[in-house]
Amino acid sequence: QKEVEQDPGPLSVPEGAIVSLNCTYSNSAFQYFMWYRQYSRKGPELLMYTYSSGNKEDGRFTAQVDKSSKYISLFIRDSQPSDSATYLCAIFNDYKLSFGAGTTVTVRA
Amino acid sequence: KAGVTQTPRYLIKTRGQQVTLSCSPISGHRSVSWYQQTPGQGLQFLFEYFSETQRNKGNFPGRFSGRQFSNSRSEMNVSTLELGDSALYLCASSSGWTLGGYTFGSGTRLTVV
Repeated sequence: QKEVEQDPGPLSVPEGAIVSLNCTYSNSAFQYFMWYRQYSRKGPELLMYTYSSGNKEDGRFTAQVDKSSKYISLFIRDSQPSDSATYLCAIFNDYKLSFGAGTTVTVRA
Repeated sequence: KAGVTQTPRYLIKTRGQQVTLSCSPISGHRSVSWYQQTPGQGLQFLFEYFSETQRNKGNFPGRFSGRQFSNSRSEMNVSTLELGDSALYLCASSSGWTLGGYTFGSGTRLTVV
């Protein structure tokens, strides 16, 4: 069983829509959860970082962790064409990141 | 502040050859990790180093090896290249204070023919 599962999409939304991305993970002991964004021909960049459970908000981005259901989510409000990228959830454990498959998001102008 | 620098950016090698990739982390970062990214398998962890010590290694064959130098720069080596080793190899560095908060380089695109 993979440590983290993510629907690869793709996902296409109109500008201004809310983008909702989700992942599930296998081990309830995991504590560190991240969302990375990757543009074409670039390395991933850290977007959101959450320790344990709860919500974290940064501008138009909200990350949620529900440890009871082992579910992590990322919401992008008022999406912009510049948000078009691949979004990867990740879990940090034992000095390594385990990534989901990544969801490719396209925001249509 | 300079980011994570990986060299070379692109590389074409023949099956059976070996290759060495280089990574210079952000100044002050002592943790360096390597990942392989392919369309089929996504991002997979190769290994992580901190102060020249390997702290974790992913599920890759022994042909994949790495090391870290005293200035935190790191290299990874792949011997006896196979076609399936064609991938984007990403290096990431971290100060170690934000667990999981890595800064990635733009990667080295390796093509094995």
